[in-house]
Amino acid sequence: DAGVIQSPRHEVTEMGQEVTLRCKPISGHDYLFWYRQTMMRGLELLIYFNNNVPIDDSGMPEDRFSAKMPNASFSTLKIQPSEPRDSAVYFCASVRGISGELFFGEGSRLTVL
Amino acid sequence: QKEVEQNSGPLSVPEGAIASLNCTYSDRGSQSFFWYRQYSGKSPELIMSIYSNGDKEDGRFTAQLNKASQYVSLLIRDSQPSDSATYLCAVTYNQAGTALIFGKGTTLSVSS
Repeated sequence: DAGVIQSPRHEVTEMGQEVTLRCKPISGHDYLFWYRQTMMRGLELLIYFNNNVPIDDSGMPEDRFSAKMPNASFSTLKIQPSEPRDSAVYFCASVRGISGELFFGEGSRLTVL
Repeated sequence: QKEVEQNSGPLSVPEGAIASLNCTYSDRGSQSFFWYRQYSGKSPELIMSIYSNGDKEDGRFTAQLNKASQYVSLLIRDSQPSDSATYLCAVTYNQAGTALIFGKGTTLSVSS
């Protein structure tokens, strides 16, 4: 299997711009997670989906963040407008069923200037 | 607020020694516990899972769980330079056991 695929791998943008991060989970996995990692806060769960339905978005920091999963093979995380404090590595992960073995993508490193 | 606490390190051990990594968690309802390893610039990968009190061994790795003390640990025997990485403790936080919260990680450095 190809693994979890994220794009872009690196994104540099200016404050106020819209950022869209993309994720393709492993085929057959029914859970998808978005995490954000910074030195200060570690790996934070932002939102997760089960069978394309958002289950818990309590980790989404504010209304500037939104996530969608229109089908089983694609999810987006959008930040609008972006701010310098959003700079982080954003990871997407997927898993089949109830299991702690999350399969992570390589991450999208976002820098907001 | 559900939390997972780890010492950030760095923890430095010589090659061949035992490395001991510790983790505490706040939610008594947590049922499943995991250790992930993350090399610099890479994504986390699962190395151990443990669900019941006691020890679980897998090769050079031993996970230990004490639910009464809300404590999880990872022992790495015969540490190798290739074990140098950040180790993340993760705990399920909801009853369904579907979502993980992670500690900030402990950085381990093994010197040859």
